[in-house]
Amino acid sequence: AQSVTQLDSQVPVFEEAPVELRCNYSSSVSVYLFWYVQYPNQGLQLLLKYLSGSTLVKGINGFEAEFNKSQTSFHLRKPSVHISDTAEYFCAVSPISNFGNEKLTFGTGTRLTIIP
Amino acid sequence: DTAVSQTPKYLVTQMGNDKSIKCEQNLGHDTMYWYKQDSKKFLKIMFSYNNKELIINETVPNRFSPKSPDKAHLNLHINSLELGDSAVYFCASGRRAYEQYFGPGTRLTVT
Repeated sequence: AQSVTQLDSQVPVFEEAPVELRCNYSSSVSVYLFWYVQYPNQGLQLLLKYLSGSTLVKGINGFEAEFNKSQTSFHLRKPSVHISDTAEYFCAVSPISNFGNEKLTFGTGTRLTIIP
Repeated sequence: DTAVSQTPKYLVTQMGNDKSIKCEQNLGHDTMYWYKQDSKKFLKIMFSYNNKELIINETVPNRFSPKSPDKAHLNLHINSLELGDSAVYFCASGRRAYEQYFGPGTRLTVT
């Protein structure tokens, strides 16, 4: 089984400041890693994903994340945030499987609030 | 064109009623999912269907029954609604778990 921990439930950041949202996971098998964003009253949108290869992954809206296998982390970063980045951010993992029965396990989310 | 659509967007009903939520995707994916997001924003998978076959069935009360008439549709029927069923329900579709597209959600309120 997999589990995901997002230690920060809320992160307030001033506009144009950098931000890091933390994500740690636990799994007995290899996993894929994801960050999703949920804007108010909307569904989830994929920000970025790590499947294999380079541990630094770039996503949409200027976000990037780095996979650290030894620390079982997948922290999300943005060098300069905008008001429009205000949203809930979810880290998720999925076990690597050839049987088509993978499922996403989500963290509890981090609410990013941008302060003008 | 909306990739994954759900109806209705809002659903308010009384305890004990039976209700359905519909989901349709036009992405040509074989796999569809239902997720529940509770009041604390926690998201948990309920079911997944691959090509109309049930693949994942988490520990969900049997009052919840998914139905997939074809690959493009996955409906969720809920019998005897309870207060604890109040949540936002998301449908998603994808070729694999690592490429899921979510619908806008259905906010269910049971009174």
